[in-house]
Amino acid sequence: AQSVTQLDSQVPVFEEAPVELRCNYSSSVSVYLFWYVQYPNQGLQLLLKYLSGSTLVKGINGFEAEFNKSQTSFHLRKPSVHISDTAEYFCAVSSGGYQKVTFGTGTKLQVIP
Amino acid sequence: GAGVSQSPSNKVTEKGKDVELRCDPISGHTALYWYRQSLGQGLEFLIYFQGNSAPDKSGLPSDRFSAERTGGSVSTLTIQRTQQEDSAVYLCASSLRAGGPTDTQYFGPGTRLTVL
Repeated sequence: AQSVTQLDSQVPVFEEAPVELRCNYSSSVSVYLFWYVQYPNQGLQLLLKYLSGSTLVKGINGFEAEFNKSQTSFHLRKPSVHISDTAEYFCAVSSGGYQKVTFGTGTKLQVIP
Repeated sequence: GAGVSQSPSNKVTEKGKDVELRCDPISGHTALYWYRQSLGQGLEFLIYFQGNSAPDKSGLPSDRFSAERTGGSVSTLTIQRTQQEDSAVYLCASSLRAGGPTDTQYFGPGTRLTVL
């Protein structure tokens, strides 16, 4: 079985400061990892994904994430946040074999002016 | 091309009534997911389809909830005898195939259900 843990339910950060949103997963097989973003009153959209290859993945809006197999983590980072980054961020994992995608509980990023 | 669409966008109903929520996935996507998002809460998985089959219905909260998918395309989520706790945004997503690298989910805008 696969699972995702997002330990931080809320992360406040000042504008232009760096941020890291943590995601840990568990799976007994190869994994594919995703980060989605949900802006206020909107649906979810894909931010970035790791399928294979380079462990550092770059996404939209200056975000990046690093796949660390030994630590079973896929943390999301941005070197300098903007007010417009205020949103909820969801980590997700998918394995093979027609198993459904599993989402984490989400982390609300609050950027403070 | 067209994204995932859901209808209606908003639905207000009285307690005890039945409601049907519709999802049109992206053409060619074989996997379809239903989620529920209550106010201030994360995503709650309800059910997913691979083709017309539902390998996992474990997220349906009660037997008042059911879903079907016909022709490998449109899906309908039905809630019978609605209760106030059913009030939430119901999100639909589709992907090329469930499980694996092609399971990038594309979400619809959701249906906001309010049960009075």
